[in-house]
Amino acid sequence: NAGVTQTPKFQVLKTGQSMTLQCAQDMNHNSMYWYRQDPGMGLRLIYYSASEGTTDKGEVPNGYNVSRLNKREFSLRLESAAPSQTSVYFCASSVGGEVSGNTIYFGEGSWLTVV
Amino acid sequence: AQSVTQPDIHITVSEGASLELRCNYSYGATPYLFWYVQSPGQGLQLLLKYFSGDTLVQGIKGFEAEFKRSQSSFNLRKPSVHWSDAAEYFCAVVSYSSASKIIFGSGTRLSIRP
Repeated sequence: NAGVTQTPKFQVLKTGQSMTLQCAQDMNHNSMYWYRQDPGMGLRLIYYSASEGTTDKGEVPNGYNVSRLNKREFSLRLESAAPSQTSVYFCASSVGGEVSGNTIYFGEGSWLTVV
Repeated sequence: AQSVTQPDIHITVSEGASLELRCNYSYGATPYLFWYVQSPGQGLQLLLKYFSGDTLVQGIKGFEAEFKRSQSSFNLRKPSVHWSDAAEYFCAVVSYSSASKIIFGSGTRLSIRP
């Protein structure tokens, strides 16, 4: 029961370095998401992909890029990491679309520290 | 823009006591509403969801929530909490601008007093 798998689980970056967070889901879901979670801020949507081949900005997209590589995979890239991007990142997926029962399934999170 | 507000940042209740976590939303139409729970170091797990029909929704782990359109609320309740219920709870709503865009509240951390 893999569900949503994201890697790496922990990463320390220096300011200005780049990195990519990988995410894959095996539930044949159409929609995928990247959220960041910060104390007192809840989960904020960075980018989402409603379906394969589409991506859209969420609430806090600045400093990030995404790629929906195929239906299974949705990566998040930090081109030039900044300390403000220190956070816990969650990938998620859902059936998506105009469908009731649009439950989101989350990965276990990636802890990123930028020093 | 639609939004979700959880006014209580942290709540402490005694084990065995009843619980109510508040959630208010702003939305232009009938919303799709969710409650998720996050245990420390884990991802989020769905507790329950509301789309239409009966305004009292039953979820897992003995939780329920009631949708009140007149109050724009979707409060989560449990009649008797257990120590294992200590976690962070998030209310969420589906965006009307995109059925695939789900917006979360800032969360309520629940502590259980022995």
